Amino acid sequence: SQELEQSPQSLIVQEGKNLTINCTSSKTLYGLYWYKQKYGEGLIFLMMLQKGGEEKSHEKITAKLDEKKQQSSLHITASQPSHAGIYLCGGDGSGNTGKLIFGQGTTLQVKP
Amino acid sequence: GAVVSQHPSRVICKSGTSVKIECRSLDFQATTMFWYRQFPKQSLMLMATSNEGSKATYEQGVEKDKFLINHASLTLSTLTVTSAHPEDSSFYICSARAGGAGELFFGEGSRLTVL
Repeated sequence: SQELEQSPQSLIVQEGKNLTINCTSSKTLYGLYWYKQKYGEGLIFLMMLQKGGEEKSHEKITAKLDEKKQQSSLHITASQPSHAGIYLCGGDGSGNTGKLIFGQGTTLQVKP
Repeated sequence: GAVVSQHPSRVICKSGTSVKIECRSLDFQATTMFWYRQFPKQSLMLMATSNEGSKATYEQGVEKDKFLINHASLTLSTLTVTSAHPEDSSFYICSARAGGAGELFFGEGSRLTVL
């Protein structure tokens, strides 16, 4: 069965610092989704990547998908306290059905 | 952007009762919606795929008679937890796709507590 591994599990950074979260799939993905979640709340859509080598940016967040479509990274530049939360990567390995397998999440704390 | 809404956001019920959770796509039509469950400090686990006008498809290990799914319109899917027990207490969250291969949006989630 397909698995998604995220690293690190948790991260504490000083405000203004850059950080990267990684997501690795055991199988080639049809799509890779990044979400942010505050504990006990819904998921906020960040980005969707579908093509090998694709890179997308929104405000200070950049996500990349490698050529093999098995590895993705989420990079935050000049982090702010508002970036704190749980970051989840979700992979669609079932032919773009929309059924996602999620990584275990990365908890980010940003110290002012 | 596309919005998916869930109701109720929190529900507490007694053991043995049934609880219905609604998932609505507010500004788009969704022929397919997905239901996930999230236990505390764990990631999301897919429970079932809700198909408009047809039966839901369930993931392995999910009891279809316990978790009834109805997708009666293009904007509404419901999940009914029947004869709920304390072990069913969890955070239930739905997602919907805007367009055939488009972005997947999630609802705000519904926290079920069974006493």
